[in-house]
Amino acid sequence: EAGVAQSPRYKIIEKRQSVAFWCNPISGHATLYWYQQILGQGPKLLIQFQNNGVVDDSQLPKDRFSAERLKGVDSTLKIQPAKLEDSAVYLCASSYGPGEYEQYFGPGTRLTVT
Amino acid sequence: DAKTTQPPSMDCAEGRAANLPCNHSTISGNEYVYWYRQIHSQGPQYIIHGLKNNETNEMASLIITEDRKSSTLILPHATLRDTAVYYCIVRVGNQGGKLIFGQGTELSVKP
Repeated sequence: EAGVAQSPRYKIIEKRQSVAFWCNPISGHATLYWYQQILGQGPKLLIQFQNNGVVDDSQLPKDRFSAERLKGVDSTLKIQPAKLEDSAVYLCASSYGPGEYEQYFGPGTRLTVT
Repeated sequence: DAKTTQPPSMDCAEGRAANLPCNHSTISGNEYVYWYRQIHSQGPQYIIHGLKNNETNEMASLIITEDRKSSTLILPHATLRDTAVYYCIVRVGNQGGKLIFGQGTELSVKP
């Protein structure tokens, strides 16, 4: 069974530029999560989708971050404009459903903002 | 905020059991205890979870105290590949599903 796929794996941009990350979850998984992991810290949830609807985006900085999950499968996370403090690893995870089901994580995208 | 407390780091000799403690004194009756680990440069990986009873799978055992205020993850025969950051998370099972990660325990398995 293929795991969660993410691209790109690495991205370097200058502040005020925009960037987008892509995630393809495990086939059949209805729930998709985006986490931000700053160096030395645990991952922090940015947004959770159930199919193509948003369940929780309380921690998403909506003035610069946006995410979508068209057709309830793939998802993209965008940052526009980027700030230095956005340097982090962006992890995508998926699960069969919300609640008790375990989450499967992708390898992440390491973003460096200079 | 994370609802768990873990030691920041631990060492373990290869082949020995690694016992990773976690305190969750404010856990509610409907909250599960989950363990994930994160090997360097990889995404977190699910290990095990439990509500009240002790649990065992092919990776580890989870021992939860009777009052549910603490738990221990046991890796019975640690290998070098078990070197990772281990996260203990309490999570409401039937709502939402998001994981709130703390700082975790950095386990170093040494030859």
